[in-house]
Amino acid sequence: SQTIHQWPATLVQPVGSPLSLECTVEGTSNPNLYWYRQAAGRGLQLLFYSVGIGQISSEVPQNLSASRPQDRQFILSSKKLLLSDSGFYLCAWSVYKDEKLFFGSGTQLSVL
Amino acid sequence: DAKTTQPPSMDCAEGRAANLPCNHSTISGNEYVYWYRQIHSQGPQYIIHGLKNNETNEMASLIITEDRKSSTLILPHATLRDTAVYYCIVLYNNNDMRFGAGTRLTVKP
Repeated sequence: SQTIHQWPATLVQPVGSPLSLECTVEGTSNPNLYWYRQAAGRGLQLLFYSVGIGQISSEVPQNLSASRPQDRQFILSSKKLLLSDSGFYLCAWSVYKDEKLFFGSGTQLSVL
Repeated sequence: DAKTTQPPSMDCAEGRAANLPCNHSTISGNEYVYWYRQIHSQGPQYIIHGLKNNETNEMASLIITEDRKSSTLILPHATLRDTAVYYCIVLYNNNDMRFGAGTRLTVKP
């Protein structure tokens, strides 16, 4: 069966520090991968999605970047965090042409 | 820019049916209607989806109007564990999915 791993669960970082959040999927090949962010009390905002290794589409201009170094690995990064980067970050995957999304457990990021 | 409109909140008594409405008046003929829910501090969970016909699975039923401009998610016997934010989304085979603010359903004992 397929599983998605996302870590860490919580993270507190100072303003200006770097960020690296990792997501891996097991049990499937060539998944579509996604990063979402959810600000407190708000809906989910799509940040990045990827249909294959090295293929990243960005939905919102921002202080963040994403990379997909391996088929089932998706990384969210920042060189210098801003206060506005605080939020709940969710990784998700789907099978090509089947858009049912499977979400990870999320990372609660607090930038102080 | 979610293509759906949902009430911000609803209450339901435990054991009763919860009927969550969604308006999607600009839906295209080949766009599906998806429903997800998010329990506090967890990732969203897929519930059900449909195109034209009504659908039912072990979690819920989805009723889509004949003109497809609105739909209703039905939880037949709501429990306290069904308290969550429910998202209605329309989508056609894109590699992304955009979530609106959803409906916060509170199931009360």
